[in-house]
Amino acid sequence: DIQMTQTPSSMPASLGERVTISCRASQGISNYLNWYQQKPDGTIKPLIYYTSNLQSGVPSRFSGSGSGTDYSLTISSLEPEDFAMYYCQQYDSSPLTFGSGTKLEIK
Amino acid sequence: EVKLQQSGDELVRPGASVKMSCKASGYTFTDYAMHWVKQSPGQGLEWIGTIIPLIDTTSYNQKFKGKATLTADKSSNTAYMELSRLTSEDSAVYYCAREPLGTDVMDAWGQGASVTVSS
Repeated sequence: DIQMTQTPSSMPASLGERVTISCRASQGISNYLNWYQQKPDGTIKPLIYYTSNLQSGVPSRFSGSGSGTDYSLTISSLEPEDFAMYYCQQYDSSPLTFGSGTKLEIK
Repeated sequence: EVKLQQSGDELVRPGASVKMSCKASGYTFTDYAMHWVKQSPGQGLEWIGTIIPLIDTTSYNQKFKGKATLTADKSSNTAYMELSRLTSEDSAVYYCAREPLGTDVMDAWGQGASVTVSS
């Protein structure tokens, strides 16, 4: 199975700050990488698909990049609703696997 | 409006089985695959498997073969997951999530259903 390592596991940040979350795969995944957001009430929604494509309805302050084994999610200017958990997920090979998550907290 | 309405929380005895549902509305059920994902307490997300209702085909994470059984009823636009021989390790929140066929992204998720295994 492909292991997905996310860093950091938690990140205190301030409103308006630019933040980057990293995701490293245990082997190359050819950009087959999605990002999801989970709110404290458990609601999950997709943010980015295929490394850098913004899901419909997601604000443009979210962006994704990467290649090979290393990927990242950037939020350009934090809004109150962005404080949540973030997960990367690879779909290069089965089983689909997720990162362990990054909790974005208010500083 | 696209909605995936999952069945309620369950309290079940060790060794028993539980079958949960995910009722889809607001879209054509057979145009999408349905994934199931496990979230153990305080943990991340774990993919269980996928069913394509159009062709009634399933794909499982090897870890969950023999534990989870995925089915779908096209007449009621409902996907089901049955978990068998439950242990405390199966206590978790379970999500269904749809994927537009061939896109590899889970673009809508259910609200989650909690399963607690306890005597």
